[in-house]
Amino acid sequence: EVQLVQSGAEVKKPGESLKISCKCSGYNFGSNYWIGWVRQMPGKGLEWMGIIFPGDSDTRYSPSLQGHITISADKSISTAYLQWSSLKASDTAIYYCARKGSDSSRMYYFDYWGQGTLVTVSS
Amino acid sequence: QSALTQPASVSGSPGQSITISCTGTSSDVGDYNYVSWYQQHPGKAPQLMIYDVNNRPSGVSNRFSGSKSGNTASLTISGLQAEDEADYYCSSYTGSSTWVFGGGTKVTVL
Repeated sequence: EVQLVQSGAEVKKPGESLKISCKCSGYNFGSNYWIGWVRQMPGKGLEWMGIIFPGDSDTRYSPSLQGHITISADKSISTAYLQWSSLKASDTAIYYCARKGSDSSRMYYFDYWGQGTLVTVSS
Repeated sequence: QSALTQPASVSGSPGQSITISCTGTSSDVGDYNYVSWYQQHPGKAPQLMIYDVNNRPSGVSNRFSGSKSGNTASLTISGLQAEDEADYYCSSYTGSSTWVFGGGTKVTVL
């Protein structure tokens, strides 16, 4: 059974750093699948943030978020990460990780999702 | 990359059919047959309902169907049921391993 299990809720102050995780199981994490990150600000819609291919760490970012976030992955523990070096109040949101199939399989959609991680940034 | 345009809300009575539109541009919806739709109930993670414009994943009711014409994709829910009340989001591949989502549509079952 494919599962994406995310780390727990976080409360941080502006300017602090943070790294949240997405532990994947039930499939071969290191090949054939990408992991994407999606933001949902309070009461708002879904926003695509970026994506990583754990096999070779090929990473793409939304132009609006490039430079503010870093996406990474550790194949040895089948885990993807989303991190900030300096949080802002506007980063308050629920963050979801989601799996996408390989380009060679023509899977251009997100078929499994994590449960979400609530990040609250407040002074 | 601007969000795809969806109506804020759509409603219907049980048993009726409703359609949600999703309008993009020639660089996303109009350029790729990689439109997907997600259902999100309050407090829950999104769930894939339609992929590649008109394909249903295993386990999704055949009451859900998708289509596309030009820069606009659509999701139709037929035989509306109370459990269909949720937010629905469209998404399109935009090339170079990037995606865009729609603003979301709240479906209300009257």
